[in-house]
Amino acid sequence: EVHLLESGGGLVQPGGSLRLSCAASGFTFSTYAMSWVRQAPGKGLEWVSGISGSGGITYYADSVKGRFSVSRDNSKNTLYLQMNSLRAEDTALYYCAKRVAPAPNGRAFDSWGQGTLVTVSS
Amino acid sequence: QSALTQPASVSGSPGQSITISCTGTSSDVGGYNCVSWYQQQLGKAPKLMIYDVSIRPSGVSNRFSGSKSGNTASLTISGLQAEDEADYYCSSYTSSTTLPYVFGTGTKVTVL
Repeated sequence: EVHLLESGGGLVQPGGSLRLSCAASGFTFSTYAMSWVRQAPGKGLEWVSGISGSGGITYYADSVKGRFSVSRDNSKNTLYLQMNSLRAEDTALYYCAKRVAPAPNGRAFDSWGQGTLVTVSS
Repeated sequence: QSALTQPASVSGSPGQSITISCTGTSSDVGGYNCVSWYQQQLGKAPKLMIYDVSIRPSGVSNRFSGSKSGNTASLTISGLQAEDEADYYCSSYTSSTTLPYVFGTGTKVTVL
């Protein structure tokens, strides 16, 4: 059974940094691209960042480009999101999500963690 | 890249069928057969209901079906049940090299 467990969220001041982690199990982690998706309180889903199975290709939404960095350690089955220069508008529940199938197929997310809450406030 | 457009709310009585629309552009919905639908119940993580326009993952009820015509995709829930009450989001792969996925604005489904 696929299991994704996010951690690392918390309260941080504007301009601060946080590193989120997502521990994966139940599948061959290195085979699948992974993404981070966030949801601001009471709002909809927003794709934030993605990374290929090997880690060699990364993508970012314009709203976080230059401030966030996605990475993965396939030896530890763990996905990361380094968030710098945080803003109030980054406040959200951050989910990690697994792609349905190895590229180029299955461009959707079939497994999600429970999310980790990031609050940016002074 | 703007969010895909969904109706804010759709309602129906138990046993009825409802359809949720998801409108995008030729750069996303219309350009790829990569539309997916997610169900999010209150306080829970999203659950994949449909991917690649019309494929149901294992374990998803066959009461859920998906289709697409041009730049608009649709999710139909037949035989509506109380447990279907939730928020539903569509998503599409896009042609953008920097934003490969875009989500819809979300639809609240209410079972009357």
